Parts: sequence; structure tokens; C-alpha cells
Amino acid sequence: GAVVSQHPSRVICKSGTSVKIECRSLDFQATTMFWYRQFPKKSLMLMATSNEGSKATYEQGVEKDKFLINHASLTLSTLTVTSAHPEDSSFYICSARESGKENQPQHFGDGTRLSIL
Amino acid sequence: GQNIDQPTEMTATEGAIVQINCTYQTSGFNGLFWYQQHAGEAPTFLSYNVLDGLEEKGRFSSFLSRSKGYSYLLLKELQMKDSASYLCAVVDSNYQLIWGAGTKLIIKP
Repeated sequence: GAVVSQHPSRVICKSGTSVKIECRSLDFQATTMFWYRQFPKKSLMLMATSNEGSKATYEQGVEKDKFLINHASLTLSTLTVTSAHPEDSSFYICSARESGKENQPQHFGDGTRLSIL
Repeated sequence: GQNIDQPTEMTATEGAIVQINCTYQTSGFNGLFWYQQHAGEAPTFLSYNVLDGLEEKGRFSSFLSRSKGYSYLLLKELQMKDSASYLCAVVDSNYQLIWGAGTKLIIKP
């Protein structure tokens, strides 16, 4: 079945570091990918919708200069957390939906646990 | 506004049956998903309903009533590994996925 690969799975770094997270659809093309953030014991929070070849659509309250998204190909989207601080520590999850199949389930990556010291 | 409601937490006994309800008010409807999420892991797809009725898949079944804005996930023969959060998500008229807050299911021996 369809698979989404996300890495790294865990990052621990110092405050002020920029961290890049990759999300790849392995056996399908994804015009649209989604980036979520999840705090402990809370539900998924959509941060932004990544669109191949165009600018990402950010949800209200999400700083686009802080969370840079690039979707340069139909199989890869990246999220860069710039100048990360301890409050950015969280579980980040990407998902992808196969192009042309809006009613199909999103396939999730395994998530990235980001810890900023 | 768009809203999805599901209970915060439920407790059930191993071997029993549990029903997790989800009600929604969204701008349009293009289907409803149920996902399972174990602690510290990403969600995994369980079921999809777009027409009224019951969809059965092994120990899990999902029901939809579009006129009532209501769905439930039914889990039979509960196992300890079913302890997880169950997320209800609705596809709205713009094909955006609207997520519920999730129901934490605790299974006791």
C-alpha cells in the first residue's frame, strides 16, 4: 500500500538551531501534503498545507517565516523550523494525499519528535 | 463554524464491545474518516464512510448518518492493544480534513 516516509524521527538540538524535516511519498505522487503539530495528549493541529510548485497555505496563527515549507516535487515536502526555541518542541507529523484522490485517506509519516534544549 | 465532537476518554474491559461516537457540523460533507493513534505514534487509517450505513472491517465497524451529522466507531472483542486514541475527521466541501480532538480509549483487563 501507499507509504509516506518522514525523517528524522527524532531531533534534539540547541536553541537557535534550524531543523529540517522531510516528508516523502514513496509509491504515489502527492500534489498536496499536510504538516501537523501535536502536543502531548492533544489532538492534531494542522499547521499548513503544502502545495507542489506553489506557496504553502498556512493556518491562522502559524508563522510562515518560522515554519518554512518547500514542496519542490510531487514526492517531497520539507518543513524547516527556523531558529528553533524550546517552545517549538513538539511532535511534528506530515501526511500526503495521492493526487486526484481527494476522498482517499491521508497517509501519515511516522512523525518527528523535536526537542529543543 | 466547523465543529466535531467526540468524548474525551472512554474505558472498557478486555473482550467487551465499545462504541465511540462522533457528531459533526461542517460546511459540506465529503466523507468521514476514523483513525487510530497510539501514544507517540502517527495516526493510522481505520475506516472511511461517505454513504449512510454500517461499514464492517473485522473487529471494527463504522456507522454514518449524514442527516444526523453522526458517526460511531464500534470495536468488538476488545484487546489490550486497542488502547489508543481514536480520531474522527470529516472532509468538508473544500476537501479539507476537519479533525476531532480524539477519544482516548483505555482497556482494562
